[in-house]
Amino acid sequence: GAVVSQHPSWVICKSGTSVKIECRSLDFQATTMFWYRQFPKQSLMLMATSNEGSKATYEQGVEKDKFLINHASLTLSTLTVTSAHPEDSSFYICRISVNTEAFFGQGTRLTVV
Amino acid sequence: QQQVKQSPQSLIVQKGGISIINCAYENTAFDYFPWYQQFPGKGPALLIAIRPDVSEKKEGRFTISFNKSAKQFSLHIMDSQPGDSATYFCAASRNQGGKLIFGQGTELSVKP
Repeated sequence: GAVVSQHPSWVICKSGTSVKIECRSLDFQATTMFWYRQFPKQSLMLMATSNEGSKATYEQGVEKDKFLINHASLTLSTLTVTSAHPEDSSFYICRISVNTEAFFGQGTRLTVV
Repeated sequence: QQQVKQSPQSLIVQKGGISIINCAYENTAFDYFPWYQQFPGKGPALLIAIRPDVSEKKEGRFTISFNKSAKQFSLHIMDSQPGDSATYFCAASRNQGGKLIFGQGTELSVKP
């Protein structure tokens, strides 16, 4: 069965609004969670790494005030896209790390209109 | 030094043929090299992975060949099937649960 639950699987929002994406670890306590973004026909680009109870570490070029990451517990991390614009439309995927293994979520297709 | 370069960008193979995708890395600190398969609209799924202490790993129709001195690794899909048509990504990290760096992806199409 699934190890990671990512919700929602798709969302359409109006420009200027905020969207929250959840990533839940179903069977394990995830010490580390990663957030990736994937534009059509492109590779997965790491946005940030989050550890439970501490601030996320963002990759170069990723705006931390725009992409808010909260890793409040060992089973839940959220990514909030604030003041979304059409250029934020993308496929967002979380990945959880459990000891030496890691698992991807099913992704969230965000469309900003 | 963090890059992973993947080729080809796209690949068309006849059913029953061998699909070969290549990757090269620069950072010698990488010690975990997975391959992922991704279907449209889905998250990537781990296909097979290798560590640098072995030169080859085989799982069913999928084989990874690893050349540590050349800093290259490749995926071979034997007896390719139309159901294998997907995008394949190689990746590398310092450890299995660590930060993954992805290659650019290869769109594989297996013709019946």
